[in-house]
Amino acid sequence: KAGVTQTPRYLIKTRGQQVTLSCSPISGHRSVSWYQQTPGQGLQFLFEYFSETQRNKGNFPGRFSGRQFSNSRSEMNVSTLELGDSALYLCASSPGQLSYEQYFGPGTRLTVT
Amino acid sequence: DAKTTQPPSMDCAEGRAANLPCNHSTISGNEYVYWYRQIHSQGPQYIIHGLKNNETNEMASLIITEDRKSSTLILPHATLRDTAVYYCMITTISNFGNEKLTFGTGTRLTIIP
Repeated sequence: KAGVTQTPRYLIKTRGQQVTLSCSPISGHRSVSWYQQTPGQGLQFLFEYFSETQRNKGNFPGRFSGRQFSNSRSEMNVSTLELGDSALYLCASSPGQLSYEQYFGPGTRLTVT
Repeated sequence: DAKTTQPPSMDCAEGRAANLPCNHSTISGNEYVYWYRQIHSQGPQYIIHGLKNNETNEMASLIITEDRKSSTLILPHATLRDTAVYYCMITTISNFGNEKLTFGTGTRLTIIP
């Protein structure tokens, strides 16, 4: 099976802009989670989607949003970008039922200038 | 979720067993111990998890103390490719599986040739 893919791999945006990141889970996986990784805060949970519904949410402002499509692909959006949003954004997928591990993609490196 | 405490860094000679400790004194009865690792610039990789019994898979062994307040991840024959940051996490598992991971600061393990 192909692994989790994320596009784009690298992105440079300007403060105030918005950005959309994409994640394609492993075939058959219905749960997609998003994480933000920064040197200062480490790996932090953003949200998790299952069957197009947000099932869990971390402690991030409303500028961070996501959605999941019927084919389980997911997108996350960050509006009004701030310098502090520069991070590695990781997507992870799992079957979503009675599953014990998450499979992570390579991440999207976002730089906000 | 309960918090964990790990040493920030450890070294291990190649070919020897690497023993990574984790303290989780506030763990509750329905919380699992999870281990992931992150090799530089890659997404985290699942290693192993357990509730109260010791567990072993092709990658590692997990030893959980009887009171469940601490655990040790053992990599039996460390190789240079095992150099990574290792995260110990405590999390609940719902009927849908493990949807949310709370990463701490982890242990940076360096395998010495």
